[in-house]
Amino acid sequence: ETGVTQSPTHLIKTRGQQVTLRCSSQSGHNTVSWYQQALGQGPQFIFQYYREEENGRGNFPPRFSGLQFPNYSSELNVNALELDDSALYLCASSLDGDANTGELFFGEGSRLTVL
Amino acid sequence: LAKTTQPISMDSYEGQEVNITCSHNNIATNDYITWYQQFPSQGPRFIIQGYKTKVTNEVASLFIPADRKSSTLSLPRVSLSDTAVYYCLVERGGFQKLVFGTGTRLLVSP
Repeated sequence: ETGVTQSPTHLIKTRGQQVTLRCSSQSGHNTVSWYQQALGQGPQFIFQYYREEENGRGNFPPRFSGLQFPNYSSELNVNALELDDSALYLCASSLDGDANTGELFFGEGSRLTVL
Repeated sequence: LAKTTQPISMDSYEGQEVNITCSHNNIATNDYITWYQQFPSQGPRFIIQGYKTKVTNEVASLFIPADRKSSTLSLPRVSLSDTAVYYCLVERGGFQKLVFGTGTRLLVSP
């Protein structure tokens, strides 16, 4: 148990729809990162939020967007869903953004299937 | 960030020691070497991190030679529950965006 919770655990959407995934970070952590993991691949960095501001972004299009709230929980929004967006979406919680090199605490993920 | 290369898969038996080697030829001065473990349909879990020489914790040891161009994760006396994917990452100091490869799938048999 990492203390990082994600919801929903599974969901099915159709092409063109929009989805919102949620993450509650571990108590005391002010940094949330989102990763996409396609089947059989390693996780790919989407973006990171530190104290409610985006703090780095991977190679993902603008239809992937996020938010971080004052309590440091976070949302990942994906618009205009495509079939290739089907993946496990992982949230990782940590402390102090780039100031800290160490352990990221991952949630169990949200499994998105796009039909 | 330095690219990492590790075996796609490894097989072992319960009770054996498993060593997974990762190469990272282009590692930079302020890069750290980090290993994560992932079970199916779960998020990765931090195992160990090191900069040079040897690091040991309650679950694993990490050996890093002086040139730091490779590292070896050592799992002592593996059990069936150690069957998982193991990722070697080079993590830039002060840059917390992890770059995962495809990892090493370890299968532990009875």
